Amino acid sequence: GQQLNQSPQSMFIQEGEDVSMNCTSSSIFNTWLWYKQDPGEGPVLLIALYKAGELTSNGRLTAQFGITRKDSFLNISASIPSDVGIYFCAALTDSWGKLQFGAGTQVVVTP
Amino acid sequence: EAGVTQSPTHLIKTRGQQATLRCSPISGHTSVYWYQQALGLGLQFLLWYDEGEERNRGNFPPRFSGRQFPNYSSELNVNALELEDSALYLCASRGGVGYGYTFGSGTRLTVV
Repeated sequence: GQQLNQSPQSMFIQEGEDVSMNCTSSSIFNTWLWYKQDPGEGPVLLIALYKAGELTSNGRLTAQFGITRKDSFLNISASIPSDVGIYFCAALTDSWGKLQFGAGTQVVVTP
Repeated sequence: EAGVTQSPTHLIKTRGQQATLRCSPISGHTSVYWYQQALGLGLQFLLWYDEGEERNRGNFPPRFSGRQFPNYSSELNVNALELEDSALYLCASRGGVGYGYTFGSGTRLTVV
């Protein structure tokens, strides 16, 4: 089936550093989404991307929909302690279908 | 606007029993999706309901079933519970094409 390969699996960074993570696949997708999940909570949508090549920002977050439609990346600039959590990429092949999720990137921010 | 609400928050069941989990989507959303998240793992797609019909199902045994009611709320039933069914069960709803999926806080199911 369609598989999203998300990397890195985990990141240990110092406060103030930038964070980059990405998702790749052998399949083409029409929509890429990035979520953050805190312990014991459901994922919260951070950024949604709907067009190949699209670059979208949400505060300190920036995400891009790869031009080949097979990948996406998320950057977090100037990390702060509340950025701690698990970040998931997710993608859709059709407008209404199920979301396919990556395995997640665990981000730990140290002071 | 109220978000996606799930109940109960926690559920403890014995192996072999049945569990029923409930989800209320955001008002106006007709599609409901169910996902399983086992400890330390990613989200695995379970079921998708839209307009009262099951539209798609993930790679799970028939013990996992559900339904969607006329008010678009949904129920997930897990029969003959097994220890490995212990997980966080997440429900999401969607408002339409061009909108992201909004998740509830989940139901933590523990099978002992």
